[in-house]
Amino acid sequence: QLQLRESGPGLVKPSETLSLTCTVSGDSIGHTSYYWAWIRLPPGKGLEWIATVYHSGSTYYNPSLKSRVTISADTTRSQFSLTLNSVTAADTALYFCARHRFYGSVPSNWFDPWGQGTLVTVSS
Amino acid sequence: QSALTQPRSVSGSPGQSVTISCTGTTNDVGVYNFVSWYQHHPGKAPKLIIYDVTERPSGVPDRFSGSKSGSTASLTISGLQADDEADYYCCSYAGSYTVVVFGGGTKLTVL
Repeated sequence: QLQLRESGPGLVKPSETLSLTCTVSGDSIGHTSYYWAWIRLPPGKGLEWIATVYHSGSTYYNPSLKSRVTISADTTRSQFSLTLNSVTAADTALYFCARHRFYGSVPSNWFDPWGQGTLVTVSS
Repeated sequence: QSALTQPRSVSGSPGQSVTISCTGTTNDVGVYNFVSWYQHHPGKAPKLIIYDVTERPSGVPDRFSGSKSGSTASLTISGLQADDEADYYCCSYAGSYTVVVFGGGTKLTVL
């Protein structure tokens, strides 16, 4: 059974860089039919898609975050990662990683399964 | 402000049906049949319940159904159960620039 688990610091200071890792078990992130994504849920707000990566290295970013975000995949470790630069209090959120059915021979757009999420607070 | 508009809350009694709307534009919901819905119980991982507007993943009860008319997608939950009380989010593909958009979420209360 495919499982995803987020890891990273729970507290980041303003202006610093947030780094998160998602570890995938039960399948290879090199699977040709799937992509891998980060999504966040700020307190009191809705879900926000951050970025998606394919095992080949192709990346897709939310235009509103693109200048500060990098997503990457490491197939040897079955992990994919997120870095977010110059964080502010507005980046405080529950961060989820998820498998993303996206482009391909049968295009679609859905996220399943998701990790439990990791809470990141931006505060000095 | 989220790209897709959902009601902040809906409610219903056990056994009843509720419908949650998700209004987008001709850049997302109105032009692509790639709308998905997620159920989120706080503290748990969000769960995919509808994809490609009307499709249900294996294991999701047929009490959950999806539809779309123009730029508005809808999720209908029939035969409400206590465990359906959760937050529900819609999501749509939005083209090669914006890529993916979510709704602001709807809190379902089972009375």
